[in-house]
Amino acid sequence: NAGVMQNPRHLVRRRGQEARLRCSPMKGHSHVYWYRQLPEEGLKFMVYLQKENIIDESGMPKERFSAEFPKEGPSILRIQQVVRGDSAAYFCASSSQTEAEQPQHFGDGTRLSIL
Amino acid sequence: DAKTTQPNSMESNEEEPVHLPCNHSTISGTDYIHWYRQLPSQGPEYVIHGLTSNVNNRMASLAIAEDRKSSTLILHRATLRDAAVYYCILRDDSGGYQKVTFGIGTKLQVIP
Repeated sequence: NAGVMQNPRHLVRRRGQEARLRCSPMKGHSHVYWYRQLPEEGLKFMVYLQKENIIDESGMPKERFSAEFPKEGPSILRIQQVVRGDSAAYFCASSSQTEAEQPQHFGDGTRLSIL
Repeated sequence: DAKTTQPNSMESNEEEPVHLPCNHSTISGTDYIHWYRQLPSQGPEYVIHGLTSNVNNRMASLAIAEDRKSSTLILHRATLRDAAVYYCILRDDSGGYQKVTFGIGTKLQVIP
């Protein structure tokens, strides 16, 4: 019973390059959430997607960041023209429903380092 | 959003019980209390949740005050693997989607 899978676990990019982070939710889960965690800080919500739709992107920076969750395949968080401040751990979570009783299940994250 | 307050850090001796407190004085009647923990270099892991009554599962127990303004996560016998950051989170069930907000949490150190 595979959990939430994120890849790559570590990603190194130079300033100005693009970073693509992938997340495969748990089987049967159609709700995906992305969070960012800076060193020694808590998780910050970025975006919530439900198959092919962005439901809440209130935590996403307005520029350079985008997310998708296509009908087939993993959810992708894409960061264009990366800068040093994008260095962080990015976590994906999934759930079967959005009710408050339903826990979110997290992957082990992608640690993005910008040179 | 109703907020939670937790101590920044706590220490516990191995094999002793640990009581992790959380204050949520502005909790509403439809807020569920959730606890997650994050081990080093891993993603958060769901621990337990409750609404009004105390809850037990294989990982921990959750004790909820009668007025619901505070709760306590209880690890009955701390092990070194329990060293983690523990997050207390409120989730509103009044209807529809609500984003989950994580605070700083409590960093638990377990002393051998």
